[in-house]
Formats: sequence, structure tokens, C-alpha cells
Amino acid sequence: DAMVIQNPRYQVTQFGKPVTLSCSQTLNHNVMYWYQQKSSQAPKLLFHYYDKDFNNEADTPDNFQSRRPNTSFCFLDIRSPGLGDAAMYLCATSRNSQGQGEQYFGPGTRLTVT
Amino acid sequence: GENVEQHPSTLSVQEGDSAVIKCTYSDSASNYFPWYKQELGKRPQLIIDIRSNVGEKKDQRIAVTLNKTAKHFSLHITETQPEDSAVYFCAASGTGGGADGLTFGKGTHLIIQP
Repeated sequence: DAMVIQNPRYQVTQFGKPVTLSCSQTLNHNVMYWYQQKSSQAPKLLFHYYDKDFNNEADTPDNFQSRRPNTSFCFLDIRSPGLGDAAMYLCATSRNSQGQGEQYFGPGTRLTVT
Repeated sequence: GENVEQHPSTLSVQEGDSAVIKCTYSDSASNYFPWYKQELGKRPQLIIDIRSNVGEKKDQRIAVTLNKTAKHFSLHITETQPEDSAVYFCAASGTGGGADGLTFGKGTHLIIQP
């Protein structure tokens, strides 16, 4: 039944040690999104893919990269995590472009940086 | 870019009473306005959404209204129940000529007093 799957659910990494978060979907949706949600804050869009087209938000730090090797999978790479990068990372998908489709969120990966 | 303001940040109502949460947005090109409910440690769950060609939408105890001229939209929950207690986020998404992510309001912590 799972539609948007994120692994791992909890990730602990050391300051400066690269980490990769994974998202997969069984919905065959065109668009995949990565959001960062810090404690007691709203989700904030980092970037998204429409098929293979990558769209970066203007204020997303260079420390964050993303890959989408195929329709089903999308990865978030944090090259040198800092303490300020500790957050819940939410992956979402939607069928349509132009913001017309409902976004389906995964359960999130909670990242801790020590 | 889009900016979404949400009020109030905390709302406490008696069980059975109504709750109203209000949002304004800045980008007149935005045309999709979802509302999400998020319980502690869980993913955002879509509860209702409205598109710019519609002024009002209702689903059982939940309704959303949209005033495009004034660029504001509101969530109305009637006959509130303890399980309605959560953080509610409004969001907006535009056309932008391609896939768009969501810009979220800062959230409203709804507390239902028994």
C-alpha cells in the first residue's frame, strides 16, 4: 500500500560527513519534491524534478544536491552536514505539472547531526 | 516568489465549537491552495484543497473558502473533536510554466479543549 517510501526513517550522521537520503514511489508520478522541515516550522521546498528536469529553489544551499536516476527514485545528498541541517526531510510526489496535482508526502527521514 | 501568511499561530477552541484559520498569499498567479494536517512526528496529510476557479469547497465538517481578489483563503472546521487537535498548514502553488512546489504558511497549532 505504501505509495511514497523514504529510507531510512531515522538517520544520524556526523558533522561534515556526507549523507544520502532515499525516496521511492509506486505512483508513477512525474514530479518528485524534497522539503526540509525543521522543528516547529513549516516544510520548505528545497528542489523538485519534473521527469528529469531539475528545479532548484533560489535559496537552497549548495550543500544540498539531488539525483533522480529513474521515475521511481530520488535521492537527497547532503555533502557536508552542519548542525543546522538537522531536520525532517520530506519527499513528495505529484502527477501533474504546474501545481495542479495533489502532492503525496512520504513519512519523512529525521536527520540528526552530531 | 510566493509568500504565504497564516493566522493565528495557536488556536484553542472548546470541543464542538468551530475553528477558523486564515491565510493570505502574495502571488496572484497562484492557483492551487491545499490545507494539510500534521500530527506530531508524522507526515503532512492533505485534508482539503481548492483551485482558483472555485470560491468554496466543503467536505463533511471541513470547508475552505477562497477570495482571489483579496488573495486570501480560509479553513473552517465545524463541530470540532479531540482528534482534530494538530498543526494545520495552508499552502499555495502557482503555474510558473512548469512543476511547482508548495509554499507553506507557518502553521496553526489547533487545540481542542474537552
